[in-house]
Parts: sequence; C-alpha cells; structure tokens
Amino acid sequence: AQSVTQLGSHVSVSEGALVLLRCNYSSSVPPYLFWYVQYPNQGLQLLLKYTSAATLVKGINGFEAEFKKSETSFHLTKPSAHMSDAAEYFCAVSDGPLDYKLSFGAGTTVTVRA
Amino acid sequence: GAVVSQHPSRVICKSGTSVKIECRSLDFQATTMFWYRQFPKQSLMLMATSNEGSKATYEQGVEKDKFLINHASLTLSTLTVTSAHPEDSSFYICSARAGEVNSPLHFGNGTRLTVT
Repeated sequence: AQSVTQLGSHVSVSEGALVLLRCNYSSSVPPYLFWYVQYPNQGLQLLLKYTSAATLVKGINGFEAEFKKSETSFHLTKPSAHMSDAAEYFCAVSDGPLDYKLSFGAGTTVTVRA
Repeated sequence: GAVVSQHPSRVICKSGTSVKIECRSLDFQATTMFWYRQFPKQSLMLMATSNEGSKATYEQGVEKDKFLINHASLTLSTLTVTSAHPEDSSFYICSARAGEVNSPLHFGNGTRLTVT
C-alpha cells in the first residue's frame, strides 16, 4: 500500500522567508506524487506533480518540489513566502500518473507573518 | 476553468437521520467521481469511486450500506449518509474528472457534517 507522511501539521513563516513543507512517501512501486493546496473555503488545487520525468518539479505560484528516491521524500519549497500563500497543503501519492485514487497526507497549515 | 460544486457546505443533523451531499460538475462531464472523508488532524481518506451509470467501488472498511453513492448522470453524484451517528461527523470532499486521457482532477469545497 502507498502512503505519505507530512512532517509538521503547522508551519509559520515570515513574509519573504523560505517555505519548506516536508513529505515522505512509502511505496512498493515507483510513486506518482502530488502537492495540493486548499485555500480557505475553496476546493483543493493541484500545485505540482511528479511522474518520473524529472526529479525537480516546478509548479504554480513559485512552488517547486524535489523527488529524492534515496530519502523517499518529496518536499515542497518556495524561496520567498507571500501573504497569499497562507493555506493548507496536502501531499498525496497515487498508483498511477493521472492522480487516480489518491492517498493524502494529513496536511500542513501554513501561516505567513507580516 | 472547470468547477465542481459541492452542497451543502455545512450540515448539522440529529443522530439516526440521513443526510445527502451533492457533487456537481458545472462545465464538464464527470465520468468518474471520488468521495473522500477527512477527520480532524488526519488525512483525506478515499471512501469510494463512482463511475456514471454503474455501482460505486468502495474502499476497504467503508460500509456501502451506510454511505450510499449514486452517480446517475454525468454531472451529478450524491453521497447519502444513512442513519447518521456522531462518529460520522467529518469533512466530506468530492472530486471529479472527465473521461478524456490526462484529464485533471477537480475538487469540491467539501461538506462539514456534524451529527448531534
């Protein structure tokens, strides 16, 4: 079975500081990994996804994530946080490249301090 | 862009009653819809997958007689929580995708169910 673990349920950063959200996966097959964001009162939106084409994946809103097989990790980063980045972020794994049957992490809430 | 509308956003019901949650795709035909449940501080857990015109496929541990899923049209799927109990209180989210290859997944805003 595939699963992901997000380290840290809450992250607080200053505006302009680095955002780092940690995600580790467990999978018996090559994983397909995703990051989703949920803004208050909205549905989940896809930030980026890893489907084995490149280990460094760039997403929307300046976010990127790096797949590290040796560390079974897929951490999400953004060099400079904006106030608009305050949201909940979910890491997810799928048994296929088209986000079919996603297994989600518990989520990390990001707050941005002015 | 594609939008999935989920209704209601919040519902409170008494123990023993049934609650229906609707998930609609507003500008595309949703061949497949998924239902998830999220308990506080926990992951979104896939409950079931429904394909238009056929019976839903439930994940292990999900009671199909308690969580009735109907996907009668290409734009609507419903989840009915029957004989609700306080332990069914949770956040329920649907997602939908069209049938084309590489079609993305679109999520609803979720429904907060509280059973008293």
